Amino acid sequence: AQSVTQLDSHVSVSEGTPVLLRCNYSSSYSPSLFWYVQHPNKGLQLLLKYTSAATLVKGINGFEAEFKKSETSFHLTKPSAHMSDAAEYFCVVSLWGGSQGNLIFGKGTKLSVKP
Amino acid sequence: DARVTQTPRDKVTEMGQEVTMRCQPILGHNTVFWYRQTMMQGLELLAYFRNRAPLDDSGMPKDRFSAEMPDATLATLKIQPSEPRDSAVYFCASGLVRGYRLETQYFGPGTRLLVL
Repeated sequence: AQSVTQLDSHVSVSEGTPVLLRCNYSSSYSPSLFWYVQHPNKGLQLLLKYTSAATLVKGINGFEAEFKKSETSFHLTKPSAHMSDAAEYFCVVSLWGGSQGNLIFGKGTKLSVKP
Repeated sequence: DARVTQTPRDKVTEMGQEVTMRCQPILGHNTVFWYRQTMMQGLELLAYFRNRAPLDDSGMPKDRFSAEMPDATLATLKIQPSEPRDSAVYFCASGLVRGYRLETQYFGPGTRLLVL
């Protein structure tokens, strides 16, 4: 069975400081992993994805995430937060076998950015 | 820039009425997902299709919800009859599954449904 845990429901940082949003997963096999961002009253935008290639994945808007199999983690980072990064972030784990698949969303982490 | 489109963007209806939401997935993607998002429940996967065939609708209330994909460019989600507890934002997502992996998944802008 798969599961995903976003360790913080809310993270607050100051503008210009680093961002760390934590995600741990559980999966019997190597899954695909995604990070999505959702701004208030908007849809979900794909930030980045890991699908078995390089373990350090770069996404849009300066975000990146590192797949660490030994730690079963896929934490999202950004060196310097911007006010426009304030949003909710979702970590997703997915595994498919044959024609059936599984998509598990984390409960989300709300990121606040203080001026 | 390929995008998932959804119509309508907003829908207000009265309890008991039929609601139809439409989604146009990205050309070349082989999987379509329907999600529902509410403040209380968060994001829930309702159903998904692979190569237009319904694979899993276990997340969907079967008595009133139905999902179809009449052709490769159109997926529909119907609620009949609608109830106030169906009020939510409904997202369609288009994805590409290869082998054991979901290679990518893009979301549409959502349909905001309010049932009075």
